[in-house]
Amino acid sequence: QVQLVESGGGLVKPGGSLRLSCAASGFTFSDYYMSWIRQAPGKGLEWISYITSSGRTIYYADSVKGRFTISRDNAKNSVYLQMNSLRVEDTAVYYCAGDQQLANWFDPWGQGTLVTVSS
Amino acid sequence: DIQMTQSPSSVSASVGDRVTVTCRASQDISSWLAWYQQKPGKAPKLLIYAASRLQRGVPSRFSGSGSGTDFTLTITALQPEDFATYYCQRTNRFPLTFGGGTKVEIK
Repeated sequence: QVQLVESGGGLVKPGGSLRLSCAASGFTFSDYYMSWIRQAPGKGLEWISYITSSGRTIYYADSVKGRFTISRDNAKNSVYLQMNSLRVEDTAVYYCAGDQQLANWFDPWGQGTLVTVSS
Repeated sequence: DIQMTQSPSSVSASVGDRVTVTCRASQDISSWLAWYQQKPGKAPKLLIYAASRLQRGVPSRFSGSGSGTDFTLTITALQPEDFATYYCQRTNRFPLTFGGGTKVEIK
């Protein structure tokens, strides 16, 4: 079945780095644009990054620009989020999500991975 | 950036009730709007896209309407499994933004 599975979350100190991965299965990954969306504890949803199927076009939210890098490997059916210079306010569940219609709405979603930034 | 404002932030309703959630954009976004349902501890689920198009597999008691700046998600005959938080999302340009969410609670 269609599935996205995130991994790589955990506890990291402020200023540290983490790399999140999202593995796709059950669909043609290279047909999908992909995004990362996060949700701080008890808060709403925040879109943070987007990459087209070729990887040639990338966007970031201002809150992560210059610190986070999105990438993908279509041969491995995976999308990644390299997070550097992490801040306490980056603490959130991070979801990867796909966009087959290429219209910026999201389906499917992964189950999420928790990133906690704390000293 | 275009802001998305949802109202109410929470609503109490009973099984069988009709529930309406509103989403307002700070600028005209045509029909570039999606609605999601999120249950505690779970990922969001796409319900509606292009303001009024029902995602495959979503029950027909869910409907979306509106264009421009004002949008509505309506749930007719609320079911027990519909108690959740609902989010609108602007999809027309980057940065993509979500509304603050509306929690539908059991009365």
